[in-house]
Amino acid sequence: TQLLEQSPQFLSIQEGENLTVYCNSSSVFSSLQWYRQEPGEGPVLLVTVVTGGEVKKLKRLTFQFGDARKDSSLHITAAQPGDTGLYLCAGISTSYGKLTFGQGTILTVHP
Amino acid sequence: GAVVSQHPSRVICKSGTSVKIECRSLDFQATTMFWYRQFPKQSLMLMATSNEGSKATYEQGVEKDKFLINHASLTLSTLTVTSAHPEDSSFYICSAPVTGRETQYFGPGTRLLVL
Repeated sequence: TQLLEQSPQFLSIQEGENLTVYCNSSSVFSSLQWYRQEPGEGPVLLVTVVTGGEVKKLKRLTFQFGDARKDSSLHITAAQPGDTGLYLCAGISTSYGKLTFGQGTILTVHP
Repeated sequence: GAVVSQHPSRVICKSGTSVKIECRSLDFQATTMFWYRQFPKQSLMLMATSNEGSKATYEQGVEKDKFLINHASLTLSTLTVTSAHPEDSSFYICSAPVTGRETQYFGPGTRLLVL
């Protein structure tokens, strides 16, 4: 069974601070995705990283995929209250799309 | 972009009754759909893989007789929670991958409360 360890589980910060969420596994994934979910809604895809060492930027969010494709990180610069939510990493290991989710990180950004 | 819908969005039922949740891909065909369960402030837990025209594949620890899955067409999968009990109360989410792409679209979820 492939596992994704996501940390931290909870993160409470002030507006303007930076933060990093980590996702680690002993298994190799063909690609890894990051989602954001708000209460009562389904997850929304933020990014997919495919190539080892890949870095993608989405405004204030920076996503990295480890060289060995076993780990990934999400860095948010100058966090805002609107960034509050549950962030999930998910690894794709098969061609038909089965996802393995990390435990999730609940981010709260205080004004 | 591709859209996945779920119906109902929330349901309250009495203990012992059965509840059916529908998952539809609105503008694409999905030979495979996934059903997840999510408890408050926790991650998604994969319950089963729904396969069009064949039996669903259940994850370890998920009772197939308790959670019946039917994938009768290329755009519809249903999850029936049979003889529901309060511990079945949860947020159920489906998703469907777009064939040939690693993008997977999630439904908005169904909140089930069993009294």
